[in-house]
Amino acid sequence: GAVVSQHPSWVICKSGTSVKIECRSLDFQATTMFWYRQFPKQSLMLMATSNEGSKATYEQGVEKDKFLINHASLTLSTLTVTSAHPEDSSFYICSAGDRDRNNYEQYFGPGTRLTVT
Amino acid sequence: EDQVTQSPEALRLQEGESSSLNCSYTVSGLRGLFWYRQDPGKGPEFLFTLYSAGEEKEKERLKATLTKKESFLHITAPKPEDSATYLCAVQSSNTDKLIFGTGTRLQVFP
Repeated sequence: GAVVSQHPSWVICKSGTSVKIECRSLDFQATTMFWYRQFPKQSLMLMATSNEGSKATYEQGVEKDKFLINHASLTLSTLTVTSAHPEDSSFYICSAGDRDRNNYEQYFGPGTRLTVT
Repeated sequence: EDQVTQSPEALRLQEGESSSLNCSYTVSGLRGLFWYRQDPGKGPEFLFTLYSAGEEKEKERLKATLTKKESFLHITAPKPEDSATYLCAVQSSNTDKLIFGTGTRLQVFP
């Protein structure tokens, strides 16, 4: 149990275009989902917390107009990187909090490698 | 401010050579301490959650322990397939957010 999927697993896009990444909890309901970014050989940095049916909460320094987050259902959250630039190239990972465990335990997706050329 | 520090940054072990990874933390009211394993190019894989000092959990060759200031991940007789980055994270009582350490990169060679 506790499986989280992400799609796509990798994407290459041109500078100035937008990219959407999906995060799904496959076998549990997630009231809260989290989006992280990870640069090579660094740890995970939380970008935003996404709650089903409400606006996302962004961490300090993360541009909410650039990283659009939508959490439309208890099993799906999306991250859209708008007007992507090469510096947005990174490994994006989502996690989902198991509602039945009061979000105490978070399960991570496999990540999405974004390369902006 | 909530903070997590992991040591060592990197660890090389001979197969069968047991060792421990350290996670020191400061948090305003600990809800839980989490250990994850991350392989290159993949998302973190959940290993353990510890909730209170004195708690211990085991899974195969791994054993996690918790005190009021730190947690240890003990690896007994490691195998090459245990090679990965091990991440520690804390969750405070007033938030669902996880605060991660920078991880320990473990290499186990035959």
